[in-house]
Amino acid sequence: QVQLQESGSGLVKPSGTLSLTCTVSGASINNYYWSWIRQSPGKGLEWIGYIYYIGSTNYNPSLESRVSMSVDTSKNQFSLKLNSVTAADTAVYYCARLSPLWRDFDYWGQGILGIVSS
Amino acid sequence: DIQMTQSPSSLSASVGDRVTITCRANETISKYLNWYQHKPGKAPKFLIYAASSLQSGVPSRFSGSGSGTDFTLTISGLQPEDFATYYCHQSYRTPYTFGQGTKLDIK
Repeated sequence: QVQLQESGSGLVKPSGTLSLTCTVSGASINNYYWSWIRQSPGKGLEWIGYIYYIGSTNYNPSLESRVSMSVDTSKNQFSLKLNSVTAADTAVYYCARLSPLWRDFDYWGQGILGIVSS
Repeated sequence: DIQMTQSPSSLSASVGDRVTITCRANETISKYLNWYQHKPGKAPKFLIYAASSLQSGVPSRFSGSGSGTDFTLTISGLQPEDFATYYCHQSYRTPYTFGQGTKLDIK
């Protein structure tokens, strides 16, 4: 069974960098696209971007200037960095697998709360 | 960006009811429409892909339809575990976008 688990910095100061990692178990990270999605308090879901296992990326233009993603196939992990954060970046961050054919998110992590506060 | 509009935003129903949630795109997305169920504190659960295909393991009381710009999710014979928030998601073009969600609660 495919499982994803987010980990990383839960509290970040304004103007700092939010760093999260997603560990995949039950499946290889190879040959798939992997995404980050967030949900701000009281709001809907926002797609942040995806990374292919070989390292190519596609980011949401609304966040592109502040986002970077990376992948470590040896650890079966992929990561998110969001810099210059503000309170508006406070959200639950989910990692998810993107299926290749219909590009649905077929497996998700439980989410991790990232709080931006001084 | 493609905008996805769900209706209603909230819905009250009873166990055994049949409910329908609508999702509309502001431009055609063919059949690149997916549905998810989300309960607080849990990972979202993938229900339907390609507008009408049921993900493996999802009960047959869930069904989806539509193409182009208008889509529906129907739950026939609500069960207690179905009370949750439902989201549609277009995967036609990046940036991928979601509907604002429909919260289904017990009447």
